Amino acid sequence: KQEVTQIPAALSVPEGENLVLNCSFTDSAIYNLQWFRQDPGKGLTSLLLIQSSQREQTSGRLNASLDKSSGRSTLYIAASQPGDSATYLCAIPDSSASKIIFGSGTRLSIRP
Amino acid sequence: GAGVSQSPSNKVTEKGKDVELRCDPISGHTALYWYRQSLGQGLEFLIYFQGNSAPDKSGLPSDRFSAERTGGSVSTLTIQRTQQEDSAVYLCASSFGTAEEKQYFGPGTRLTVT
Repeated sequence: KQEVTQIPAALSVPEGENLVLNCSFTDSAIYNLQWFRQDPGKGLTSLLLIQSSQREQTSGRLNASLDKSSGRSTLYIAASQPGDSATYLCAIPDSSASKIIFGSGTRLSIRP
Repeated sequence: GAGVSQSPSNKVTEKGKDVELRCDPISGHTALYWYRQSLGQGLEFLIYFQGNSAPDKSGLPSDRFSAERTGGSVSTLTIQRTQQEDSAVYLCASSFGTAEEKQYFGPGTRLTVT
């Protein structure tokens, strides 16, 4: 059974820093991995989806990497801004393809 | 185009009452999913629809929970005889094909059972 873990649970950094969020998974036979952002009291916004055949995906200041063999993905945020403050979740499709399995998230706070 | 919409955005109900939550997926998306996020908890899968059928309803926590989808579009999640532990944010998502495709989430319905 696939398990998805995100460490740390919370992270606070000053504005302007580059930072890395981590996601690990137990079963390397994944189809893809998706990174989401959730603002307090809001739904989920998809940030990046990286296919199993890809090593990384980029969107603006965000870069997601995937290493299936080690069961890890990272989300790199460059030049962080207070507006980046949110909870970031990674998710992987279940082997049944009927659901995605979420990590518990990293709550990110960017200090002005 | 329009995203996934959910209604109501907030619902406060008394313990023991029934509630209905609605989800309008993105037009053309055949797959629809319901998840639940309880305070301080992670996202919990409830049910998956492909068209009007629900091939995976393994996440429904009890027989008080049911869901249907009509016309391959709108879905309703019904909770009967609500309990305080049902209080949570209920999120709906849709995608083309299966969960291996990118999922798009609605804003959620915050349910509070008093």
